[in-house]
Amino acid sequence: DADVTQTPRNRITKTGKRIMLECSQTKGHDRMYWYRQDPGLGLRLIYYSFDVKDINKGEISDGYSVSRQAQAKFSLSLESAIPNQTALYFCATSDLLAGDETQYFGPGTRLLVL
Amino acid sequence: GENVEQHPSTLSVQEGDSAVIKCTYSDSASNYFPWYKQELGKRPQLIIDIRSNVGEKKDQRIAVTLNKTAKHFSLHITETQPEDSAVYFCAAGYSTLTFGKGTMLLVSP
Repeated sequence: DADVTQTPRNRITKTGKRIMLECSQTKGHDRMYWYRQDPGLGLRLIYYSFDVKDINKGEISDGYSVSRQAQAKFSLSLESAIPNQTALYFCATSDLLAGDETQYFGPGTRLLVL
Repeated sequence: GENVEQHPSTLSVQEGDSAVIKCTYSDSASNYFPWYKQELGKRPQLIIDIRSNVGEKKDQRIAVTLNKTAKHFSLHITETQPEDSAVYFCAAGYSTLTFGKGTMLLVSP
């Protein structure tokens, strides 16, 4: 779905570095989410935001922070990356104001922490 | 919080057979149950969903059933085709979603 984009698509970093993953959407949706995907573990929610001024922790928020800069932008930061944060990260959006609970996923960012 | 269990983790079928994937959930407040399909190297995409006021929903070869009393829901795919091969995730929730760990479906020609 080209309406949800993520940058970068791939990233290699070193332990201890700070990195930011960005998500943008042109769908006009109010809700945005960050998930990580690990083999055999499914999708786990890191943080979510129901509006620009709303930030909520998900199941696995430790070691991560987020910023909702605008309705269309939601960034995920790893303050000090560690190897077990190596994963595939997905951003998703939904439009509850329109009564649609469907979550639309971005293409993913593959992160490798050395 | 919500806990979603999904079985089986892998499923191999012959083309034309049916496939069934089952999920259970723990939180009785959950009222939305979507199913996502993820092809290799791609993003998850919604294939069908069901809400707690409905017991069954069908879309061509795909159907989902929900038993609220038992807290389980299932995905049924009939007349499977090789292009159905993918990882399928169930999820449950009411404001956020908790996902199962996924089922890798392989359809052999």
